Amino acid sequence: NAGVMQNPRHLVRRRGQEARLRCSPMKGHSHVYWYRQLPEEGLKFMVYLQKENIIDESGMPKERFSAEFPKEGPSILRIQQVVRGDSAAYFCASSVTGTGGGEQYFGPGTRLTVT
Amino acid sequence: EDQVTQSPEALRLQEGESSSLNCSYTVSGLRGLFWYRQDPGKGPEFLFTLYSAGEEKEKERLKATLTKKESFLHITAPKPEDSATYLCAVQAGAGSYQLTFGKGTKLSVIP
Repeated sequence: NAGVMQNPRHLVRRRGQEARLRCSPMKGHSHVYWYRQLPEEGLKFMVYLQKENIIDESGMPKERFSAEFPKEGPSILRIQQVVRGDSAAYFCASSVTGTGGGEQYFGPGTRLTVT
Repeated sequence: EDQVTQSPEALRLQEGESSSLNCSYTVSGLRGLFWYRQDPGKGPEFLFTLYSAGEEKEKERLKATLTKKESFLHITAPKPEDSATYLCAVQAGAGSYQLTFGKGTKLSVIP
């Protein structure tokens, strides 16, 4: 049973370029979460999605960041016009249920470096 | 605002030397407390979920406990392969789903 898959594992972008991060949840999971881990900081919630719906994007920066989880295919976190401060590890997690204490299983992460 | 504080930030143990990691939390309505293990360059690996004060769970050399204000991760006779960063997270509030994480405890077990 494959776990949460993320690609690419490493991504290098120049300032001003776009970054696209992909996440395929575990089989049978329909809830997807994105978290960001900055150097020396804890994991921070960004957005929670179900198929074709953004449920909560309260942790997302207001500009340049967007997320989607289409009916078919992986969830995508998109960062437009990247800046050096966007350099971080981005983790996707998935769960069977959304609320009420359901375990979230994490992928290996995408390490974004902005030069 | 939900807060999670882990201590110590780093812990160095000799192989076989048992110890405990602490996770203190301030939340409104705890739905679940989660422990994860994270190795360098990898994603967090799920260990335990605790739901109510007094609950305990065990897995190999690890045992997690929960009170109304904190959780402990006890490590009995650790081995070098237990070296990792251990993360604590809470899920709180009615209809909650997002996890609030502490900054972690980096454990090093020396042979």
